[in-house]
Amino acid sequence: DQQVKQNSPSLSVQEGRISILNCDYTNSMFDYFLWYKKYPAEGPTFLISISSIKDKNEDGRFTVFLNKSAKHLSLHIVPSQPGDSAVYFCAALSYNQGGKLIFGQGTELSVKP
Amino acid sequence: EPEVTQTPSHQVTQMGQEVILRCVPISNHLYFYWYRQILGQKVEFLVSFYNNEISEKSEIFDDQFSVERPDGSNFTLKIRSTKLEDSAMYFCASSEAGGRYGYTFGSGTRLTVV
Repeated sequence: DQQVKQNSPSLSVQEGRISILNCDYTNSMFDYFLWYKKYPAEGPTFLISISSIKDKNEDGRFTVFLNKSAKHLSLHIVPSQPGDSAVYFCAALSYNQGGKLIFGQGTELSVKP
Repeated sequence: EPEVTQTPSHQVTQMGQEVILRCVPISNHLYFYWYRQILGQKVEFLVSFYNNEISEKSEIFDDQFSVERPDGSNFTLKIRSTKLEDSAMYFCASSEAGGRYGYTFGSGTRLTVV
């Protein structure tokens, strides 16, 4: 079941620059897309979400873009900070499936000072 | 900030034994979930629970698994006869609105089956 895919297992970015994390999906019936951040030995922490009827949502340094025709979304972090270093998971939700999240494999972001 | 609390943080059990993983969701949340992450793999949905019943479950959630909300504050996951492949991090989560504004996850229970 590869409905949500993050094809880059890792990304390294210089502090102050932009981090772009990508995610692709196959199911056009998803209603919401979410990004989570995870540190080792902790649970995922919700970052930002976007409804399937929108194409952009911004919250501080974090912006999520949704391209429905390409079934692609991306998370932009600008400026990147060393504290942003973590694993980022893309997830998708469909209301008719009990609110379950389908996660991608995650991308490990490393922000170097 | 309200949080989801999971206990224990680490559980080691013998194959074939029963384990109960415990969670205290955020008090005004109505939707509860269990997820797991096998080492090096993605986070996988197990089960969602709303209005005192299971609303959705995955193929992983077979007859050896069960969930319960015994007292209005705790939410438990029971694995009846553990197998080696049940070794994973198990995350409990809760949400107000069915997940579209994000869930709050607990820190997880690391289950090791030996």
